[in-house]
Amino acid sequence: AQKVTQAQTEISVVEKEDVTLDCVYETRDTTYYLFWYKQPPSGELVFLIRRNSFDEQNEISGRYSWNFQKSTSSFNFTITASQVVDSAVYFCALSEALISSGSARQLTFGSGTQLTVLP
Amino acid sequence: NAGVTQTPKFQVLKTGQSMTLQCAQDMNHEYMSWYRQDPGMGLRLIHYSVGAGITDQGEVPNGYNVSRSTTEDFPLRLLSAAPSQTSVYFCASSSSTGVGSPLHFGNGTRLTVT
Repeated sequence: AQKVTQAQTEISVVEKEDVTLDCVYETRDTTYYLFWYKQPPSGELVFLIRRNSFDEQNEISGRYSWNFQKSTSSFNFTITASQVVDSAVYFCALSEALISSGSARQLTFGSGTQLTVLP
Repeated sequence: NAGVTQTPKFQVLKTGQSMTLQCAQDMNHEYMSWYRQDPGMGLRLIHYSVGAGITDQGEVPNGYNVSRSTTEDFPLRLLSAAPSQTSVYFCASSSSTGVGSPLHFGNGTRLTVT
């Protein structure tokens, strides 16, 4: 069965510090996708990034970067020069095919990391 | 562009009452799903649908029913509410049933069962 572990329940940093959110996953599939979602205090879930299992290139988008390492089954997320607006719960998620229903798939979420950026 | 719309935003029920959480999307997405979010547990899949007339169970389906009569709508029914169903419920959709399609989420419904 698939599983996503976000061991950091809460992280607090001061503005302008860099912060890395850890994500470790388990899956028996060779084809899968990894995602990061952001949930700000307003409660909505915002899609940040998707990475497939065949692409281990790191990705950078502005102050955000993602490090995907299949050897350690990790997909970590780094925010550089954090800002107060980055305060949110961040979820890592894994998607693989549901064996019982063929093409349909289930997104499995980690328990989330609450990031607080202090001014 | 409304995206995924959930109603109501908040609801309080007494144990044993029934209700329907509404979800509609205007993106012509085939795949729709319902998740519940509980503290420390992330989001867990309740039911999903890969198209009109097709539904299936997720990880935590007990106590919930769904139907998909149109592509746009995917209501979630609580048959007899229990305090364990106190949670935040999210509806989500995506353009494909394929593994890699990102989910678009509604803004959630916060349900309290007393």
